[in-house]
Amino acid sequence: DAKTTQPTSMDCAEGRAANLPCNHSTISGNEYVYWYRQIHSQGPQYIIHGLKNNETNEMASLIITEDRKSSTLILPHATLRDTAVYYCIVRVNDYKLSFGAGTTVTVRA
Amino acid sequence: DAGITQSPRYKITETGRQVTLMCHQTWSHSYMFWYRQDLGHGLRLIYYSAAADITDKGEVPDGYVVSRSKTENFPLTLESATRSQTSVYFCASNTGTEAFFGQGTRLTVV
Repeated sequence: DAKTTQPTSMDCAEGRAANLPCNHSTISGNEYVYWYRQIHSQGPQYIIHGLKNNETNEMASLIITEDRKSSTLILPHATLRDTAVYYCIVRVNDYKLSFGAGTTVTVRA
Repeated sequence: DAGITQSPRYKITETGRQVTLMCHQTWSHSYMFWYRQDLGHGLRLIYYSAAADITDKGEVPDGYVVSRSKTENFPLTLESATRSQTSVYFCASNTGTEAFFGQGTRLTVV
């Protein structure tokens, strides 16, 4: 699996967009970028995934650079309930996910 | 309700005792997983199962046993609990594009 690098933490103002970066410079052509989040004391929750095209769902948008060496998860209108640890994972498939330290996102009122 | 259910949510046990953590999914996902989460280590894979009667070790399998006689159930057994197994345990099932996690079992070994 490709290694990912995320900032340790970041703050975001409520109502503003939160942009979470992830570097994955060693990503292979058949590896997807997955994002999960873990709200305190709960199990991780799937957010979104993509291969090379930008993706959007009801929770977030995923922007992958053309060279696929980095990506950004965008929470368009952050709320206090979005405070969580966000994990960027690169894998061929969603099985046997390996979670790193992630980014601790704190949304402030 | 559809989903993945873990039981118990909280458990205190004594060193040396056998304890079983239960996991049940209401779908028919082939893959199921057990993770543990400790401060400073994040989520680590203990065991996983690709289908009924097929299981394999993850990153930290020592001291644990799993079985999968039915697709919907994936119990995790600590054969002789140790204090180092105090942790939060998460069960998950997976469609291949999305993993679903249970609410976790907080296990304390005293």
